[in-house]
Amino acid sequence: QSALNQPRSVSGSPGQSVTISCGGSSGGFGGFRYVSWYQQNAGQAPRLLIYDVDKRPSGVPNRFSGSESGIMASLTISDLQTDDEGEYYCCSFGPNFTLVFGGGTSLSVL
Amino acid sequence: QVQVVQSAAEVREPGSSVKVSCETSGATSNGYTINWVRQAPGQGLEWMGRVVPTLGVSTYAQTFQGRLTLGADKSTNTAYMELASLTSDDTGVYFCARVGPILPPYYSYMAVWGKGTTVTVSS
Repeated sequence: QSALNQPRSVSGSPGQSVTISCGGSSGGFGGFRYVSWYQQNAGQAPRLLIYDVDKRPSGVPNRFSGSESGIMASLTISDLQTDDEGEYYCCSFGPNFTLVFGGGTSLSVL
Repeated sequence: QVQVVQSAAEVREPGSSVKVSCETSGATSNGYTINWVRQAPGQGLEWMGRVVPTLGVSTYAQTFQGRLTLGADKSTNTAYMELASLTSDDTGVYFCARVGPILPPYYSYMAVWGKGTTVTVSS
């Protein structure tokens, strides 16, 4: 199962907004209607940011938002902060309710 | 509060197998799903499979079919991941991650993650 397509890196300045895309055919149930997003800092476990396209778990700031349209999903981070630096992964269903991750996007806050 | 605690790091020789455990606590009475995710050094996340202990059902990524076994002991709320025929390419950090729903499509995400177990395959 091929990884979903994400840009290798994005960057922004503090206070700005950035959007990370997640595309390609996951071949799974619902297209990207069940996409989730994770943040991972170096040496740490991933952290769930968004699930089911646009739902935020308790404790995740509303600066993080998600959307989807057809064969692509997006994560938008507004009011960028230096703590937002890290690696971001999307995840969606593959065939037979397996899951597949994107290749990851490195976010730099300059 | 939901928690997930993984077993300690392991070192194995090529050709052998490794078994990693993942104990969960908090809100277990309604069931849950445990996913396993691998991360090779300097690489991205790779989904390996999931187990739903209350249903006794496991699903595997095609990449690992045939040498990965996922199971769980409901009495201790502990899930297990056993990977056989190890090669140096299996070196990495193995994470377990829990989510509340036990049926598709609701178990599509991974809510609470363990800290990871480092597995090193070397002769």
